[in-house]
Amino acid sequence: KAGVTQTPRYLIKTRGQQVTLSCSPISGHRSVSWYQQTPGQGLQFLFEYFSETQRNKGNFPGRFSGRQFSNSRSEMNVSTLELGDSALYLCASSTGTDLPGELFFGEGSRLTVL
Amino acid sequence: DQQVKQNSPSLSVQEGRISILNCDYTNSMFDYFLWYKKYPAEGPTFLISISSIKDKNEDGRFTVFLNKSAKHLSLHIVPSQPGDSAVYFCAARGTGRRALTFGSGTRLQVQP
Repeated sequence: KAGVTQTPRYLIKTRGQQVTLSCSPISGHRSVSWYQQTPGQGLQFLFEYFSETQRNKGNFPGRFSGRQFSNSRSEMNVSTLELGDSALYLCASSTGTDLPGELFFGEGSRLTVL
Repeated sequence: DQQVKQNSPSLSVQEGRISILNCDYTNSMFDYFLWYKKYPAEGPTFLISISSIKDKNEDGRFTVFLNKSAKHLSLHIVPSQPGDSAVYFCAARGTGRRALTFGSGTRLQVQP
């Protein structure tokens, strides 16, 4: 069974630009969550989507947004990039039909903002 | 304000010995705790979990202990193997909530 796939794996942007990251969950998983990992900060929860609806949202500014498609694939977008947005962005999938225990993570998209 | 804290950024142990990774939390509403392991250039993978109604959960070489009164949990790895060298994240889930709150991680190095 294929795992969680994130694209692109690496990308470099400049301040003020925007970026879109993609995540394909494990087949049959309907919940997709996004986390930001920065050095020393662990993983910070961005948002969770289930059946094309945002179900939970973390404490990030409105520049961070996401969506989910009917096939459960999800995208997240960051507009007006800032240097502090440089991070590893991780996507995780689960069945979403019960409270989350185990999440299945992708390898992440590493964003560098110059 | 970090609600889940891993105060040791790194830990080094000898192969065959016990590794003990610690995690403290401040939110008394957390009811489920998990440990994830992360190798470089890979996503975190689930290792073991424990519900707040238990104080111990064991899975092979891995045991998680929960001390609710101290708001402390620990992961014991016995015996430690070089392949266990990775970053370990502690995570917690609030009652009725879906998002996980992660600690900042502890890098474990197991020396052959």
